[in-house]
Order: sequence, then structure tokens, then C-alpha cells
Amino acid sequence: EVQLVESGGGLVQPGRSLRLSCAASGFTFDDYAMHWVRQAPGKGLEWVSGISWNSGSIGYADSVKGRFTISRDNAKNSLYLQMNSLRAEDTALYYCANSLFPYYDIFSAFDIWGQGTMVTVSS
Amino acid sequence: QSVLTQPPSASGTPGQRVTISCSGSSSNIGSNTVNWYQQLPGTAPKLLIYSNNQRPSGVPDRFSGSKSGTSASLAISGLQSEDEADYYCAAWDDSLNDNWVFGGGTKLTVL
Repeated sequence: EVQLVESGGGLVQPGRSLRLSCAASGFTFDDYAMHWVRQAPGKGLEWVSGISWNSGSIGYADSVKGRFTISRDNAKNSLYLQMNSLRAEDTALYYCANSLFPYYDIFSAFDIWGQGTMVTVSS
Repeated sequence: QSVLTQPPSASGTPGQRVTISCSGSSSNIGSNTVNWYQQLPGTAPKLLIYSNNQRPSGVPDRFSGSKSGTSASLAISGLQSEDEADYYCAAWDDSLNDNWVFGGGTKLTVL
């Protein structure tokens, strides 16, 4: 069974940092692009960042560019999101998701989603 | 304000057919395929339609998608109570900052 489990969320003060992790199982992790998508409380979905299967292609939403860094460790079947200079507007449930097709860069649809990890930025 | 425009709400009675629209521009829907996601209350989103009109394994054929120009639609036929959920469209955007864009979501109520 394909499974994605996010961790690392919590309450953090504005301006501080947080690192999210996503542990993958049930599929050949290093063949698939991966993404972070967030959802603020009561709001819609917002793509945050994506990374291709070989880390050769990386993209960020304008709202996080320069503050967030996505990375992956294929040996550990893990995806990460380093979040620096956090703002109140970064408060959201952060989902990781894999791509539908292997070797498809970051353009493929988001297939399986984790249950999310909540990040709250507040003083 | 979302890049893709969806109606905030839609409704129908059991057995009915409902459609949800998604409007974009030449840099997203006009030049790339559209995906649809279903988010049941309190759960993570689920891929419902990809590449405009393709259903992943396990998605009932009551759900169908279409695209024309810079707009797309999701149709649900034979509406069931368990279809009550939020629905989001998404597309890759080729504008200045290549990125994925979503619609604001449509809350479907089964009356």
C-alpha cells in the first residue's frame, strides 16, 4: 500500500524555522516527483513546492520562494521542506503528495496524498 | 484570490447530474491539462480526474472531465450523498513563475 506520512509540524514564532519531513513507503520513491501542498484553515489548496525524481527540477510558489527549500533523500525514501523566516500566513496543514507518473518531472498530477502536518506560526 | 476560477458552491439532489466549472487563461488551462481533486470533509484530497478526462483506477465512471480552450468542467452523474465534498481543479501554469495553480474550490452539497 502506498503511504505518505508527514511530520515536523508544530507551533513556531514568526521569523523562526521549521523542517517538515515526509516518509514514503509502498512505491519506488526515487522514480517519482514529489510535492508539498498546503491548506490554510478553512481555505483552499495551494501548491508550495515540487521536486523531480532526481532533484534535477525544483519549483516553488512565489509566496515561499527564497524562504523555503525542498529536498529529498532517495536512500531514505524521504522528502523534506525547510521553512525559514516563517510568517503568520504560512499557517496551514502541509501535505506531501507524489506524482502520478514516474520520471515525469514536476508536471504530473498529484496522486497519493499524506494526511498532513499542521504548522502554526504565531507569537 | 485563486488563479483558476470555480464557483464557490454547487448543489443537486440524489440521482441528478451536476457540473462544476473551472476557468483559467492561456498560460494554464489553455496550454496544459487539467486535474480534479475531491476532498471529503476532514480528509486529504484525492485525485479524481487527470489529463482533462482520465480517471485513476477506482474512480467511478459517474465522474467525468472535459476541457475546451481556457475552461474545464467536472461532471458528476447519478449524484450520491457520499459525493458531498469540496472539489478543486488544478493546472500547470507556464507564466513568469512556472508553478501549479489551483481553483478556489467548489463545495458540493447533496440536498
